Amino acid sequence: GQNIDQPTEMTATEGAIVQINCTYQTSGFNGLFWYQQHAGEAPTFLSYNVLDGLEEKGRFSSFLSRSKGYSYLLLKELQMKDSASYLCAPEANQAGTALIFGKGTTLSVSS
Amino acid sequence: DAGITQSPRHKVTETGTPVTLRCHQTENHRYMYWYRQDPGHGLRLIHYSYGVKDTDKGEVSDGYSVSRSKTEDFLLTLESATSSQTSVYFCAISQGAEAFFGQGTRLTVV
Repeated sequence: GQNIDQPTEMTATEGAIVQINCTYQTSGFNGLFWYQQHAGEAPTFLSYNVLDGLEEKGRFSSFLSRSKGYSYLLLKELQMKDSASYLCAPEANQAGTALIFGKGTTLSVSS
Repeated sequence: DAGITQSPRHKVTETGTPVTLRCHQTENHRYMYWYRQDPGHGLRLIHYSYGVKDTDKGEVSDGYSVSRSKTEDFLLTLESATSSQTSVYFCAISQGAEAFFGQGTRLTVV
């Protein structure tokens, strides 16, 4: 089974840095996805971590600690367009296992 | 963009009627998923498929059935729609890596 925990809401101001945490318990863990979803739209892929450590991709970075069952998404130089929900999804390594998402963190960026 | 389309995009139906939502892909991906999204609940898995005629239940499968008779199509059926099934439904596809989502179907059961 899986248990995924993320904060429900976060607020920040333009130009700031925000860290969105995700803790998980997944049988046969393989890697972890982060998705972004703007209101009224479909989720879109942001990042995928398999190894421990930080992976940077422009203003967004994602961190994984496999031993702690912990990940975070780091957003730098926040912009208004970053207001969205951010979903983490741990991936199991068993073939035929579906992708299960956390409830998501709604980030509101204000000026 | 991944070739995945959902139809219809919007539907209003009456309680007790059957409804079928279609997900069509042109990517030949093995995995296909149906999720529903409701305020406060995030994306919840209804059913998924890992190959033609291979399907399994998700966490909220009651009241729903699925069929996958060919790689490109994954159908979600509500045998007798209820008001609790009013939701936004997303289809997704993957080939074992990142999932790509359709644009969603907004279903209202009145």
